[in-house]
Amino acid sequence: GQSLEQPSEVTAVEGAIVQMNCTYQTSGFYGLSWYQQHDGGAPTFLSYNALDGLEETGRFSSFLSRSDSYGYLLLQELQMKDSASYFCAAAYGQNFVFGPGTRLSVLP
Amino acid sequence: EAGVVQSPRYKIIEKKQPVAFWCNPISGHNTLYWYLQNLGQGPELLIRYENEEAVDDSQLPKDRFSAERLKGVDSTLKIQPAELGDSAVYLCASSNRLSGGAGGNEQFFGPGTRLTVL
Repeated sequence: GQSLEQPSEVTAVEGAIVQMNCTYQTSGFYGLSWYQQHDGGAPTFLSYNALDGLEETGRFSSFLSRSDSYGYLLLQELQMKDSASYFCAAAYGQNFVFGPGTRLSVLP
Repeated sequence: EAGVVQSPRYKIIEKKQPVAFWCNPISGHNTLYWYLQNLGQGPELLIRYENEEAVDDSQLPKDRFSAERLKGVDSTLKIQPAELGDSAVYLCASSNRLSGGAGGNEQFFGPGTRLTVL
């Protein structure tokens, strides 16, 4: 079946920039989504990339390279409230397969 | 606009007991998903509905799990009997796939039901 890979943890300081990577399996792939989940909370949608390139929304940017089966989420001007888990989710047909998530810790 | 509503938020049961979770999706969303999320892992799809039809239930353990979405709105997920390994958060999500583009791929998640099986 399809599986995604993400680093388990990332730590950065306030104001910094952090990049969280995601690799996926190519067969049947349509696009890549990113979700943020705070402890005890629900996942919330951040972005969706169907085409190669960078999509920017405020402090958040998401990148996709279909030829490399790779994407990343870029967070700029980190804030303490950005401490959360970030999941990539690949669209295969009508369904999404979620990665294991990267836990981001933002230090003061 | 109200978000996805789930109940109960927490449930503690003994193994071999039955349990049911309820989900009310966002009004007008035709697609409904049930996910299971273990601690420190990503959501895993159990079943997807398009209106009242279960179009993908390949990951649902059908010997003990069942789901229904009567009238294509609310949905119920049931486990009978529950096992210790079923302890997890059960998430419901909905989307409006007819909207197309990135919006059609955005899933709105409910707060989940945290199940503890003793």
